[in-house]
Amino acid sequence: GIQVEQSPPDLILQEGANSTLRCNFSDSVNNLQWFHQNPWGQLINLFYIPSGTKQNGRLSATTVATERYSLLYISSSQTTDSGVYFCAVEAGTALIFGKGTTLSVSS
Amino acid sequence: GAVVSQHPSRVICKSGTSVKIECRSLDFQATTMFWYRQFPKQSLMLMATSNEGSKATYEQGVEKDKFLINHASLTLSTLTVTSAHPEDSSFYICSASRATAYEQFFGPGTRLTVL
Repeated sequence: GIQVEQSPPDLILQEGANSTLRCNFSDSVNNLQWFHQNPWGQLINLFYIPSGTKQNGRLSATTVATERYSLLYISSSQTTDSGVYFCAVEAGTALIFGKGTTLSVSS
Repeated sequence: GAVVSQHPSRVICKSGTSVKIECRSLDFQATTMFWYRQFPKQSLMLMATSNEGSKATYEQGVEKDKFLINHASLTLSTLTVTSAHPEDSSFYICSASRATAYEQFFGPGTRLTVL
């Protein structure tokens, strides 16, 4: 089946710093989503981005489907950005999740 | 829009009992619903996919007689953990989408503890 790899696994930042999270996938996909899982476990939709670039406030994402990767950019990070960021891809009927990047932002 | 609710948010039960978890799409019709399981510090693992009015499709290694899924309407799916044991303790999360290959929206999860 399709493999989804996220890097880095852990990231520690000072408030105000920028970061880039990467998601590589092993095959063509119909759908790619980025999520933020908050400390209570809720998955928050960040981007639905099978291809192209999208921006939402301090966050933006780019998916290059032909090269099988996606990037999530976080600018001017805040402590509330802490949590686990998941990339998930859909190749058939359901989402396959990467192992996530755990982000810790300190003030 | 695109809100998914789950109930209960937390349940503690004795070994051998059955537990039912509800997943509802509140403001859209979900032709497809998904159930995931997440262990501490790990990623989400898909358990099954259900389409309204038809039998669920279970992932390899998931016991269909243990994890009963019913998708009775376009806004409601239920997961019943039958004869629960301590190893079934986990965080169960549902999601819903309008169709395959469309954006999925997730419920807040249910934390199950079996004593």
